[in-house]
Amino acid sequence: GQNIDQPTEMTATEGAIVQINCTYQTSGFNGLFWYQQHAGEAPTFLSYNVLDGLEEKGRFSSFLSRSKGYSYLLLKELQMKDSASYLCASMDSNYQLIWGAGTKLIIKP
Amino acid sequence: IAGITQAPTSQILAAGRRMTLRCTQDMRHNAMYWYRQDLGLGLRLIHYSNTAGTTGKGEVPDGYSVSRANTDDFPLTLASAVPSQTSVYFCASSEQHTGELFFGEGSRLTVL
Repeated sequence: GQNIDQPTEMTATEGAIVQINCTYQTSGFNGLFWYQQHAGEAPTFLSYNVLDGLEEKGRFSSFLSRSKGYSYLLLKELQMKDSASYLCASMDSNYQLIWGAGTKLIIKP
Repeated sequence: IAGITQAPTSQILAAGRRMTLRCTQDMRHNAMYWYRQDLGLGLRLIHYSNTAGTTGKGEVPDGYSVSRANTDDFPLTLASAVPSQTSVYFCASSEQHTGELFFGEGSRLTVL
């Protein structure tokens, strides 16, 4: 079956670094995606990895290991506005996204 | 630039009633999607369309229907609403075979 696992909730301190992990198992693989969703709002695209390694985009970085079925999203210099849910999704062989339930990130001052 | 627009944003509906959620995009994307999002669960695909004139079933299609008469519009219809269809519904669009989806603001539907 297809499955995406990520922690339900994480807490971090403003200014710190946090790593949100995601493991995936899908029928085929066409990329790993991270989305941010603030409470009561729509998800917005953050990052995309299809090859192994780290992709950096400002304060946010995303890592992929295809052999391990593993990705993480790294958020640096945390700001209060980073409080949100972070959704991991894997694209399967039919180019459909399989979504994790999301990780709620709580930032404390 | 509107992007992708959903209507209504919120609706309370009696069980057994018919309801259509509207979705319009102005980005000329080929692919469009309807998801539902429930607490503790990931986004679940209801129906999708890879191009105008074609539709496909997602993970949870029962009780829902869609049409794609043109590129811009992708309405979702609940023929006879049931309480288990209480959810937040998101419409999204993308270039075909990409995972960068653009979402509408969502439609919060409550079926009593």
